[in-house]
Amino acid sequence: QAVLTQPSSLSASPGTSASLTCTLRIGINVGTYSIYWFQQKPGSPPQYLLKYNSDSDKRQGSGVPSRFSGSKDASANAGILLISGLQSEDEADYYCMIWHSSAWVFGGGTKLTVL
Amino acid sequence: QVQLVQSGAEVKKPGASVKVSCKASGYTLTNYDINWVRQATGQGLEWMGWMNPNSGDTGYAQKFQGRVTMTSDTSINTAYMELRSLISEDTAIYYCVRNAPFTGDFDYWGQGALVTVSS
Repeated sequence: QAVLTQPSSLSASPGTSASLTCTLRIGINVGTYSIYWFQQKPGSPPQYLLKYNSDSDKRQGSGVPSRFSGSKDASANAGILLISGLQSEDEADYYCMIWHSSAWVFGGGTKLTVL
Repeated sequence: QVQLVQSGAEVKKPGASVKVSCKASGYTLTNYDINWVRQATGQGLEWMGWMNPNSGDTGYAQKFQGRVTMTSDTSINTAYMELRSLISEDTAIYYCVRNAPFTGDFDYWGQGALVTVSS
């Protein structure tokens, strides 16, 4: 089982909110990890969005709008990227990442379609 | 402004080696770690390893241990990633990425270098 699992795709309408999940493998407790999120548009390198560990330990990437935010769902053992007020420009691939066993590990990515 | 400018596309034969460069500008290379991340066409991101240009310390993903070397030349603010014994599955875009030590704030990415492995 992969360390981080993301749904392969998600669709949402403009103006609504999208919740992208990043589920940690059983035995890896989300409460002990900082979750990092990246956005990648076709033909471009990924862009750093934010880091979320807790409400008192979080960091927004430079220039990243506040409608991008992070959280955790302990019951689901998952990190969450919430995008509110969806815009067409938010259509992209989104990746989560953690530091686990002395390595940076990426999730498989979620393709967000805004339609 | 901070920039990471990578070397150009390469075509290599199986069994060969490739060395990708990453020139930093707008900041001092030794103040941040450099990571290398690759992405095969249509696939996700794969972390390869990190290096600290100040100390020379490195850490490689288990998958690449013994086949990758990450170095830097601080006099020209440039980092390098060499991958040896190439196979077709190494065909990918290779990115260098900056981060503050001990954080995952991969805040600046190079434009990527396409490496194609083909006989």
